[in-house]
Amino acid sequence: NAGVTQTPKFRVLKTGQSMTLLCAQDMNHEYMYWYRQDPGMGLRLIHYSVGEGTTAKGEVPDGYNVSRLKKQNFLLGLESAAPSQTSVYFCASSYGAGNQPQHFGDGTRLSIL
Amino acid sequence: AQSVTQLDSQVPVFEEAPVELRCNYSSSVSVYLFWYVQYPNQGLQLLLKYLSGSTLVKGINGFEAEFNKSQTSFHLRKPSVHISDTAEYFCREAAGNKLTFGGGTRVLVKP
Repeated sequence: NAGVTQTPKFRVLKTGQSMTLLCAQDMNHEYMYWYRQDPGMGLRLIHYSVGEGTTAKGEVPDGYNVSRLKKQNFLLGLESAAPSQTSVYFCASSYGAGNQPQHFGDGTRLSIL
Repeated sequence: AQSVTQLDSQVPVFEEAPVELRCNYSSSVSVYLFWYVQYPNQGLQLLLKYLSGSTLVKGINGFEAEFNKSQTSFHLRKPSVHISDTAEYFCREAAGNKLTFGGGTRVLVKP
């Protein structure tokens, strides 16, 4: 049982380049989330989705876009990468809303030079 | 606005000693509380959760937490830690669809 799978695991980009991070879950979860984790700041929500075809902004959405064309996949795009977006990105999914636990992927370590 | 405060950013502790990680939440409405653990280079894993009922919640790996509504706290405890408990621990509050994580507490277990 794979759970939540994130690809790639590591990536180095130059400022201004674009890229897409992929998150896939095999638990038939409705809710999916993208977080970024920076030292001393915990996890901050970038965007989330409450079902196929829907997305919503989280706490720190600027510079990112997302899409949820299929229920099992949630894509995070960086349109024009900036050094401030150097971070570890985590995807999570859950069956429902707040009273349900989230299941996390192992993260994508992204460096912007 | 909701906030979750983990009062200690780092907690050093000797092996086989007890540990308590403090978490205070802010929501005044019905709230669900969770503790997660993050081992190095991994994602977060659920330790335990409080949804309703008994205020003492037992989780995996010998951890437990106590929900205290009057003090808006949800402190995590373990009576005897192992080296393998070295990790970062996150408290999370959920009020409706709003999820808020604390800043994390790094636990370093020393031999």
